[in-house]
Amino acid sequence: GAGVSQSPSNKVTEKGKDVELRCDPISGHTALYWYRQSLGQGLEFLIYFQGNSAPDKSGLPSDRFSAERTGGSVSTLTIQRTQQEDSAVYLCASSFALLGGNEQFFGPGTRLTVL
Amino acid sequence: AQSVTQLDSHVSVSEGTPVLLRCNYSSSYSPSLFWYVQHPNKGLQLLLKYTSAATLVKGINGFEAEFKKSETSFHLTKPSAHMSDAAEYFCVVSERNFNKFYFGSGTKLNVKP
Repeated sequence: GAGVSQSPSNKVTEKGKDVELRCDPISGHTALYWYRQSLGQGLEFLIYFQGNSAPDKSGLPSDRFSAERTGGSVSTLTIQRTQQEDSAVYLCASSFALLGGNEQFFGPGTRLTVL
Repeated sequence: AQSVTQLDSHVSVSEGTPVLLRCNYSSSYSPSLFWYVQHPNKGLQLLLKYTSAATLVKGINGFEAEFKKSETSFHLTKPSAHMSDAAEYFCVVSERNFNKFYFGSGTKLNVKP
């Protein structure tokens, strides 16, 4: 089947504008993650959805960031009033795990550039 | 608390020589451990994983890693580097009973001809 897909692949926006990034996980995967990878940095955890449980938002850097996952499938990460420091590659991953230990499958990422 | 330390931010080897990328972890529970590779402008790909079966884990492209509980290490090795191995490598720990993953800061592997 298809892997994790993300759209758009690239997004250029002006400072202060809102952006929405989309993630389509692998069908049937119960867990979905968002990460941010800034230039030359490792992966920064943002948010985690598991089934119908309340999401773990502990990694969101500010209240300008939010995410939702509709119907346990597609997820949207929204950044309001973008700032230049939000420029990064945003990665989505999904896994099928009722317990831990199953690997994550990553999408290709969305490269966000805030001018 | 869980955390991962990748001891080298950059490693440079000559083609045909062994590769060693070091990873130490801390975990309060029985961990699952992973290595991912990220080639330039490509997505993250799973190399191998340890989930409490054999402590020596074989992955793709000739890589392997050994889980050493006493040393809390999960170092990645390959007997002979290839130019195509040049990439960034991430060590990841996950708690067995949970579903959260903790990434190391990455090691960039350079392979010289």
